[in-house]
Amino acid sequence: DQQVKQNSPSLSVQEGRISILNCDYTNSMFDYFLWYKKYPAEGPTFLISISSIKDKNEDGRFTVFLNKSAKHLSLHIVPSQPGDSAVYFCAASARGGADGLTFGKGTHLIIQP
Amino acid sequence: ETGVTQTPRHLVMGMTNKKSLKCEQHLGHNAMYWYKQSAKKPLELMFVYSLEERVENNSVPSRFSPECPNSSHLFLHLHTLQPEDSALYLCASSQETTSRSNTGELFFGEGSRLTVL
Repeated sequence: DQQVKQNSPSLSVQEGRISILNCDYTNSMFDYFLWYKKYPAEGPTFLISISSIKDKNEDGRFTVFLNKSAKHLSLHIVPSQPGDSAVYFCAASARGGADGLTFGKGTHLIIQP
Repeated sequence: ETGVTQTPRHLVMGMTNKKSLKCEQHLGHNAMYWYKQSAKKPLELMFVYSLEERVENNSVPSRFSPECPNSSHLFLHLHTLQPEDSALYLCASSQETTSRSNTGELFFGEGSRLTVL
C-alpha cells in the first residue's frame, strides 16, 4: 500500500504560469515532508521541505503547503520556467528521518514555451 | 569531487553473474542508503546503514547483499539476479543526529542503471 501518493503522472504548464504539484499521504506518523526534483539520468536533488508544525514554507519561486487534516501537501512554482521541466518526487519521513524517506511515484512537469 | 558518486553508471549482467555497485560519499555523513527506482513505481528503500551498521533492510531478496566497510563507502553485491531486478539503483547519504531537528534530508548519487538479461 502506497503511503505517499502522487496521482498525476504528468503535468503540462505554460511558461510564466503557476505549476501546482500535489501529494497525499496516509501515514499520520510522518512529520517531515520534502520535494525532490529529478532530471533524466541524474539522481534526485532536494528542492524544499516542510515540517509538520508548519503549514507553509517558501523559498524563492517555490512554496510548499501542508494540510495535515487532509494529509495533503502541494508544491507551487511561480512563475514556471523551462528549466523547471523535470520529475518531482514528494517524500515523507517519520521519527526525524530515522527510517529513511518514503517517496511517491513522481510527477513529470513539462513547461511549455 | 561531487557529494555522492556511484559506479558503474551502467551495468549489464546475466542472471548467473556476480557484480557489485559502489557508492562513495564525500560529505562527511554518517548514514548511507540504497534505493531502487523501477519504472512507474515509487523509489523503494532497500537498505539503510547508520554509523556503518545496517538498521533496516525492508525484506529485500538475499540476491542483493549490501556492505558498508566505513562511513564513506557503500556497496551492493549482486548475484543470480532476475530480469525484474533491472532498474536504477540510487545511493544516498545523510547526517543522522539524535536531535528532533533531524529531517532525513538525503543527498543522492546519479544512480547505477542495471539491466539483467
